[in-house]
Amino acid sequence: QSVLTQPPSASGTPGQRVSIACSGSRDNIGGNTVNWYQQFPGRAPKLLIHSNNHRPSGVPDRFSGSKSGTSASLAISGLRTEDEADYYCATWDDGLNGALFGGGTKLTVL
Amino acid sequence: EVQLVESGGGLVQPGRSLRLSCEASGFSFGDYGMHWVRQAPGKGLEWVSGISWNSGRTYFAGSVKGRFTISRDNARNSVYLQMNSLRTDDTALYFCAKDKGIFGLSGLDVWGQGTTVTVSS
Repeated sequence: QSVLTQPPSASGTPGQRVSIACSGSRDNIGGNTVNWYQQFPGRAPKLLIHSNNHRPSGVPDRFSGSKSGTSASLAISGLRTEDEADYYCATWDDGLNGALFGGGTKLTVL
Repeated sequence: EVQLVESGGGLVQPGRSLRLSCEASGFSFGDYGMHWVRQAPGKGLEWVSGISWNSGRTYFAGSVKGRFTISRDNARNSVYLQMNSLRTDDTALYFCAKDKGIFGLSGLDVWGQGTTVTVSS
């Protein structure tokens, strides 16, 4: 079981807005920035959001991130079929002295 | 083109060793921290290890501490993962990834395609 907790699945229809939560603790999310990754089957992960709420160049502004206390959230607005993928939150843990990934959320676009 | 290419994976018996390599190109390798992340078949991502730009700091996941070591050669634009005392639960696709900026905090913005390690008798 991951230290960072994500729902195993999420779903939405095209055009909808969906959110994926990531819950941690004071040692990780509470004291450090959160990053989000998108991964398609058989592909390497891609950095989607860094430093809580910043999009790397080329990432559509439909993707946004936020953090409050020991939780973070990824929001996807104007959902598209091509957004169907696995999404992971990640951060540093000061107690473990290492990086952490959440368990991942499989997003289905119905 | 910014690129990371892993190599060295393969089939190995439990208890044996394996050394993974990752060669970088297209960016100033010596300026960035580097990491190894793995993904067991059908499972999520697991951070394995990281090394700072000058090898001054190294970090390991609890699951590999004492068995794996990480090193880098900035002259060869390469980072390595020495894996000893391999176990069946080390079976995974191993990715090499580059720090975006602040070590461990700014995200991993460049990833290789991975090299597969299978530990089985």
